Amino acid sequence: GAVVSQHPSWVICKSGTSVKIECRSLDFQATTMFWYRQFPKQSLMLMATSNEGSKATYEQGVEKDKFLINHASLTLSTLTVTSAHPEDSSFYICSARSHRGNEQFFGPGTRLTVL
Amino acid sequence: AQSVTQPDIHITVSEGASLELRCNYSYGATPYLFWYVQSPGQGLQLLLKYFSGDTLVQGIKGFEAEFKRSQSSFNLRKPSVHWSDAAEYFCAVGGNSGNTPLVFGKGTRLSVIA
Repeated sequence: GAVVSQHPSWVICKSGTSVKIECRSLDFQATTMFWYRQFPKQSLMLMATSNEGSKATYEQGVEKDKFLINHASLTLSTLTVTSAHPEDSSFYICSARSHRGNEQFFGPGTRLTVL
Repeated sequence: AQSVTQPDIHITVSEGASLELRCNYSYGATPYLFWYVQSPGQGLQLLLKYFSGDTLVQGIKGFEAEFKRSQSSFNLRKPSVHWSDAAEYFCAVGGNSGNTPLVFGKGTRLSVIA
C-alpha cells in the first residue's frame, strides 16, 4: 500500500515550452501533496504544499506563476513548469500524505532537462 | 524553524566495517524523524522512521537509528556495510500536522571500498 506514482519519469523539452508533471496516490487519498526540487548533488528543497481543492502554498523564492500546481482531486496533483528554461532542469519529486497518517510517501521523481 | 544538520558531507568506509551517519535536528515540538536513501538518478527509499515509543528503531537493509532527545540527534547505524550500501543518505524531520512538510538535511554520501 501507500504507493505514489509520477509521470513522466523523465522529460526533455525545448526552452520556452511548458511541461506538466503528474503525481498520483494510487491506493490512498492524499489530502496534502508536496512538491520538492532536487538539483544535482544537492538535497531536496520544498517548492510548495498543495491541499485538495485549494490554492497551493509556495515557499519563498518559488515563482507561483512559473510553477503552476493543481490539486484537483484527492489522488492527483500536477506541477506545470511554464516557459521552461535550462536553469529549471532538475529532479522534481512529489510526496503525498494521507489524512489518516503521519507519514509522507514519495514518488519516484521526474527528471526534467530543458535544452 | 525546523532544520536538520548532517555534519558529514562524504564518508568512506571499508566493506564489512561499521557505519554511523550523524543527524541533528531542530524542531519546536515532538519530531517525527526519518532516514532515506537515494541511489544516483533514483527516488527516495525510506530506511526507517521514528514517531514515538522505543527510541531505537530498526529499519530495512540492516539499518537502525537511535533517537536521543537530549542531544537532538537521530544517528543512523549499520554494523557491517555492504558495497551495495553506497548511496546518498538523507535525514528528515517533520511534524504530525497534515500540512507540515518534511525538512531534509543536505545529505551524506557514502562510499564503500573493498
